[in-house]
Amino acid sequence: QSVLTQPPSASGTPGQRVTISCSGSSSNIGSNTVNWYQQLPGTAPKLLIYSNNQRPSGVPDRFSGSKSGTSASLAISELQSEDEADYYCAAWDDTLSAFVFGTGTKVSVL
Amino acid sequence: QLQLQESGPGLVKPSETLSLTCTVSGDSISSSNYYWGWIRQPPGKGLEWIGNIYYTGTTYYNPSLKSRLTISVDKSNSQFSLKLSSVTAADTAVYYCASYRYGGRMDYWGQGTLVTVSS
Repeated sequence: QSVLTQPPSASGTPGQRVTISCSGSSSNIGSNTVNWYQQLPGTAPKLLIYSNNQRPSGVPDRFSGSKSGTSASLAISELQSEDEADYYCAAWDDTLSAFVFGTGTKVSVL
Repeated sequence: QLQLQESGPGLVKPSETLSLTCTVSGDSISSSNYYWGWIRQPPGKGLEWIGNIYYTGTTYYNPSLKSRLTISVDKSNSQFSLKLSSVTAADTAVYYCASYRYGGRMDYWGQGTLVTVSS
């Protein structure tokens, strides 16, 4: 069972804004940076956000990340059909001495 | 740009050892910029970090797998490997290799390989 909790699903219509939460604790999000990964169906995960709010080259600025205390969020603005995917937050956990992924959120475009 | 490719048997018998290799190209496996990692995903489930290795051989293992796990690096062939012993059906998963940078930034991933544990 993951120590980073995400809602199982989120949805929106094209053009809408969707936000995904990631709830952790002082030993992970509270003391380490958060990354977000996008996994399209049948493919390997892709780095979407690193160091809480940094976008790798090539990731559209529609994707943004933030962190406050022991929680983090991923926002997708101007939702598009190609954004339908599973999204995972991730961070190092000092207590577990392990890198942990969130439970994952499936985003649907209605 | 880095490229990673997993290889190994797709079927392993229960109680045996699962062995996979990841071949790195596009940059040196001895680059100080990267650790090299393994991640797995059981069918229909979420991602689980298995462990990382640095080119010097320093390893970091998931405590839940540590007693069964060995990750090693072969610099001469630009490869790193995973061995997981005493496997059960619970170890059935798609196994990914990836580059790992400080803070958990995994920029580059292999395509993944499905390993099924079954007799």
